[in-house]
Amino acid sequence: DSGVTQTPKHLITATGQRVTLRCSPRSGDLSVYWYQQSLDQGLQFLIHYYNGEERAKGNILERFSAQQFPDLHSELNLSSLELGDSALYFCASSPLPPPNTGELFFGEGSRLTVL
Amino acid sequence: GQQVMQIPQYQHVQEGEDFTTYCNSSTTLSNIQWYKQRPGGHPVFLIQLVKSGEVKKQKRLTFQFGEAKKNSSLHITATQTTDVGTYFCAGVQTALIFGKGTTLSVSS
Repeated sequence: DSGVTQTPKHLITATGQRVTLRCSPRSGDLSVYWYQQSLDQGLQFLIHYYNGEERAKGNILERFSAQQFPDLHSELNLSSLELGDSALYFCASSPLPPPNTGELFFGEGSRLTVL
Repeated sequence: GQQVMQIPQYQHVQEGEDFTTYCNSSTTLSNIQWYKQRPGGHPVFLIQLVKSGEVKKQKRLTFQFGEAKKNSSLHITATQTTDVGTYFCAGVQTALIFGKGTTLSVSS
């Protein structure tokens, strides 16, 4: 158990819909990272938050947004869903401030299926 | 931007054989990390290498960081079925950027 909690574990929805994925980082970790894992695509970095502020953006679509709340949990919002958005979405946390990354602690992921 | 390439993408070995995966970066890395993801699981940190030419061992796993800090390797001696999974290297850019991983399968 990494201490990072992600909900829901599984989600099935239809094209055009909107979903919200939630992440609670390890106690005390201020950094939250979101990654997307599709078949044969490895782990694609989406976005990084540190203590409530966006610190880095990766290959995140405009249809996707995220935020980190004062209690440090984070939400990833995916809208106007397309079939290609089906993937495993991981949240990871770190105790270090950017630019130091150090070890990332991953949650178990949220598997999104868009039909 | 920085890219981290890994080869091979897939590797199948017989139990007891050795296994090596290679990681190459288009830019010099400040450090490199390795993660393992078991089938159906999430990535788990294995190790971080920081120094040029660094070699670290964890039981049957040997990690190397190249002299130019642009490449790294993970070598597993005498693979076991418990080694099955995908091994990722990752380098720091604005965030931790992962290679596509090498998926290892082991038959007994």
